Amino acid sequence: GQSLEQPSEVTAVEGAIVQINCTYQTSGFYGLSWYQQHDGGAPTFLSYNALDGLEETGRFSSFLSRSDSYGYLLLQELQMKDSASYFCAPQGGDKLIFGTGTRLQVFP
Amino acid sequence: NAGVTQTPKFQVLKTGQSMTLQCAQDMNHNSMYWYRQDPGMGLRLIYYSASEGTTDKGEVPNGYNVSRLNKREFSLRLESAAPSQTSVYFCASSLTGAQPQHFGDGTRLSIL
Repeated sequence: GQSLEQPSEVTAVEGAIVQINCTYQTSGFYGLSWYQQHDGGAPTFLSYNALDGLEETGRFSSFLSRSDSYGYLLLQELQMKDSASYFCAPQGGDKLIFGTGTRLQVFP
Repeated sequence: NAGVTQTPKFQVLKTGQSMTLQCAQDMNHNSMYWYRQDPGMGLRLIYYSASEGTTDKGEVPNGYNVSRLNKREFSLRLESAAPSQTSVYFCASSLTGAQPQHFGDGTRLSIL
């Protein structure tokens, strides 16, 4: 079957570092994507890990361990504009599986 | 740089009415998708089209039909709208199924 777990909400202050964890189970796994969605907006692509290890894109990094069916998104030097929902989305075949996401609130 | 364009942006329907949501992409992508998102929820896949000429059911296909009209366009039809179909509908496209998806701005649909 398919399952996906990530925390429902995370809070942090400006300038801090936050890690959003994701565990998944899906058949035909190809890789793990992360998407950001601001309230009232559309999801936007952040990162994709096909192989084990860390991918860095500016202040954001994403990690994947295929053997543990686990990944995380690391956000550094948090800014107010980072307040949004973050979705991990494992890819199974031609499709992404989206969970309910993690709502990140950044406080001044 | 239009990307993925969805029309309309807002719509109110009465129960039992029919409607087609339009989606077009100008990125020469092969794969297209329709999702719905309910308040506080994630995205649930309704239907997708891995390539022109093919369509497949996603997680929640009941009550919907789709047409991949050509490579650019992928429409979603509600034949007889129900209040449970009140939602925000997102269309997305990707070069292939393994590539990042690009989303449209969404259609906010209310069914009374």
